[in-house]
Amino acid sequence: GQQVMQIPQYQHVQEGEDFTTYCNSSTTLSNIQWYKQRPGGHPVFLIQLVKSGEVKKQKRLTFQFGEAKKNSSLHITATQTTDVGTYFCFGFYGGSQGNLIFGKGTKLSVKP
Amino acid sequence: ETGVTQTPRHLVMGMTNKKSLKCEQHLGHNAMYWYKQSAKKPLELMFVYNFKEQTENNSVPSRFSPECPNSSHLFLHLHTLQPEDSALYLCASSLARAGLSYNEQFFGPGTRLTVL
Repeated sequence: GQQVMQIPQYQHVQEGEDFTTYCNSSTTLSNIQWYKQRPGGHPVFLIQLVKSGEVKKQKRLTFQFGEAKKNSSLHITATQTTDVGTYFCFGFYGGSQGNLIFGKGTKLSVKP
Repeated sequence: ETGVTQTPRHLVMGMTNKKSLKCEQHLGHNAMYWYKQSAKKPLELMFVYNFKEQTENNSVPSRFSPECPNSSHLFLHLHTLQPEDSALYLCASSLARAGLSYNEQFFGPGTRLTVL
């Protein structure tokens, strides 16, 4: 079946360093969402990307959707300890039902 | 608070028990979801309901039985579970499916299930 590969699985950074996680889909997506799950918490919606080549920013977070709508990335500039958590991408693709696939998440730890 | 509540928050059950997990959303959404989260698989979509109709069942064993009596409530009935079913069960809701896409999901805090 269709799947989304998310890399890296883990990332350890020093506070102030940048961080990027990537999602690569085996199929063209209609849109993609990003979620963050803090340790002991539940996933919280960050953003949705719909258009080919779309770039959105939220303060230190930059989200991109590839031109072919098969890839996406989340980049955090100058990480802070509050960025700790697991970042998931949720992708949606067509077909008669419309289907949801998601990455396994990237777990970010930030050393102060 | 996300507007999605789950009860109980923690549950310990034996393999022969029957229990139910409850999810309630106060957001006026029409789509609801059950996810399983464990150390082995960070996130697994189990069931999706759209306007009370089940639209996805991702090869979930029959020992898990969902029920969606209305758009605000979702249940997961559990019976004869196995120890490997121990996990965090997350409920989520969203506005109804929009064509081939899904809207932003709001997750509940989850039920931590332990099967002995």
